[in-house]
Amino acid sequence: AQTVTQSQPEMSVQEAETVTLSCTYDTSESDYYLFWYKQPPSRQMILVIRQEAYKQQNATENRFSVNFQKAAKSFSLKISDSQLGDAAMYFCAASSGSRLTFGEGTQLTVNP
Amino acid sequence: GAGVSQSPSNKVTEKGKDVELRCDPISGHTALYWYRQSLGQGLEFLIYFQGNSAPDKSGLPSDRFSAERTGGSVSTLTIQRTQQEDSAVYLCASSLIGGSSWGQPQHFGDGTRLSIL
Repeated sequence: AQTVTQSQPEMSVQEAETVTLSCTYDTSESDYYLFWYKQPPSRQMILVIRQEAYKQQNATENRFSVNFQKAAKSFSLKISDSQLGDAAMYFCAASSGSRLTFGEGTQLTVNP
Repeated sequence: GAGVSQSPSNKVTEKGKDVELRCDPISGHTALYWYRQSLGQGLEFLIYFQGNSAPDKSGLPSDRFSAERTGGSVSTLTIQRTQQEDSAVYLCASSLIGGSSWGQPQHFGDGTRLSIL
């Protein structure tokens, strides 16, 4: 079984500031991938960033970066220079064969 | 189309009725997934298709739930004799090849919000 835990139900950040969303996971897989998805009120899940577990280098996509600590099974998302459009529910997910296992989500508010 | 298309966007029905939810994946994507998202919660896996076959349907919550995929494209999720606990957003996703362990990102539709009265 695979589990993903997001311990922060809600987070807030001031516009232009940096925020970090936490995620821990547990898996018995040796080869797996980790993802962060964003879900705005429109409901569509949008891929933010992907990390390959066998790569030590942390993934980066523009203002979004991860801190992947494999031994600690931790996969946090850092958003730099936060923008109003970043406000959404953020889900951490881990791959397991044919499915993604999602965390419960973190609701991010961006204050102007 | 450019993205995953789901219909209807919203569905309200009475308890005990059958409902069909449709998903049209991104052209060329061989893998298709259904998830359920209850209010304020994360996504729960339901079923995975590779082509027209479903190698993993272990997430279907009961035998009232079934799904099929035809022509390696459109999929239909059917819920028979709906119950109030079936109320949720049903999300469909597709990817180029199956198996998230290969790292292929899943692309999601906007979902169908199902409300059972």
